[in-house]
Amino acid sequence: EIVLTQSPGTLSLSPGERATVSCRASQRFSSNYLAWYQQKPGQAPRLLIYGASTRASGVPDRFSGSGSGTDFTLTISGLEPEDFAVYYCQQYGSSPPYNFGQGTKVELK
Amino acid sequence: QVQLVQSGAELRKPGSSLKVSCKASGDTFRNYVFNWVRQAPGQGLEWMGRIIPIFNTPYYAQKFRGRLTISADESTRTTYMELTGLTSEDSATYFCARDDTVVTPLLWGLLYWGQGTRLTVSS
Repeated sequence: EIVLTQSPGTLSLSPGERATVSCRASQRFSSNYLAWYQQKPGQAPRLLIYGASTRASGVPDRFSGSGSGTDFTLTISGLEPEDFAVYYCQQYGSSPPYNFGQGTKVELK
Repeated sequence: QVQLVQSGAELRKPGSSLKVSCKASGDTFRNYVFNWVRQAPGQGLEWMGRIIPIFNTPYYAQKFRGRLTISADESTRTTYMELTGLTSEDSATYFCARDDTVVTPLLWGLLYWGQGTRLTVSS
């Protein structure tokens, strides 16, 4: 079973700043199966990135993903007001269970 | 347009059971992977299990084995999540979610989500 650990737990930033969220896996797996989600209060999660670096349809290009092996990163270059939310990584599509990271809250400083 | 529509909020007593439905519309049903994810108040996302209707073989996270049943009914394009032996720890919002790998083979991620079903377990 792959365990995903995100850091930091909370990021306090201002609009326009860069946000960097880390997701570390307990064992290596193909980057094809690493996804990132955004969740706002009272809403279902939204798929942002799949295959570690491919943006889902309609996702602004200020969101980017990178990484391989056990270390993955979500970067938001230039935070917009609507980007303040919680972000999750997930291992999905390889062998189940398809665990999520514990989440990173990006909050307004 | 793909939509996942879940059944409504539920209130249950400790020790009872819950069955949540998730009706899919939009395109082929049987080939997709339908997942169930839950989220306790103020907590993170927890993956519970999944089913692929064409194979009808569910997989459950270890934590839920023995009290979770995920099923699918192709005739009604509906998947179900049943959880027994409820405790207050099961109070959460339950989501069904689906990938899109039939259309986009490398799109390994949960692209479509239901609106969520809130469960409250209280005596």
